[in-house]
Amino acid sequence: AQKITQTQPGMFVQEKEAVTLDCTYDTSDPSYGLFWYKQPSSGEMIFLIYQGSYDQQNATEGRYSLNFQKARKSANLVISASQLGDSAMYFCAMRGFNTDKLIFGTGTRLQVFP
Amino acid sequence: DSGVTQTPKHLITATGQRVTLRCSPRSGDLSVYWYQQSLDQGLQFLIQYYNGEERAKGNILERFSAQQFPDLHSELNLSSLELGDSALYFCASSVDSGTTDTQYFGPGTRLTVL
Repeated sequence: AQKITQTQPGMFVQEKEAVTLDCTYDTSDPSYGLFWYKQPSSGEMIFLIYQGSYDQQNATEGRYSLNFQKARKSANLVISASQLGDSAMYFCAMRGFNTDKLIFGTGTRLQVFP
Repeated sequence: DSGVTQTPKHLITATGQRVTLRCSPRSGDLSVYWYQQSLDQGLQFLIQYYNGEERAKGNILERFSAQQFPDLHSELNLSSLELGDSALYFCASSVDSGTTDTQYFGPGTRLTVL
């Protein structure tokens, strides 16, 4: 069975600092995809970044990067130069081989303070 | 804006009633997914349609049903509503299917059952 674990229910970071949100996963699939989504207080789910299990390099999208450590089964999201608008819930998700559904973690609430 | 639209944004109804949630996928996307987000269950996959055909089923109750129409929009029908059905219902879409395919989420429909 596939599982995503996010152990940090809440995180605080000061504006302009970097922050790492943890995500570990469990799967026996030969290939899989890892995703991060942001959910602001308004409720929508915003796609941030994707990492494939066979990708050799860590994914980056602007201020977001994914620290992918396959042997440790971790896919941590790094946000550089935090902004007040980064305050939101962040969800890690996985999509396995031969399945299209996303399995989500329980999320981490990030609060950015001035 | 992800390009996925959902209506209505909010829905308040009574127990025992039936409601229909509507979703229009991004232009060109063939796959539509429905997810439920509740406080106790988190984000859970309900059902997926691909080009009009049901492709995968998740934790969808028998009281719930969905379909995808020839123009690719989808509807989720919830009947005999119970208090526990109160949740945020998301529709997501992707171009095709597969491990690398990113799902883009709509703004959600917040259902309140009184």
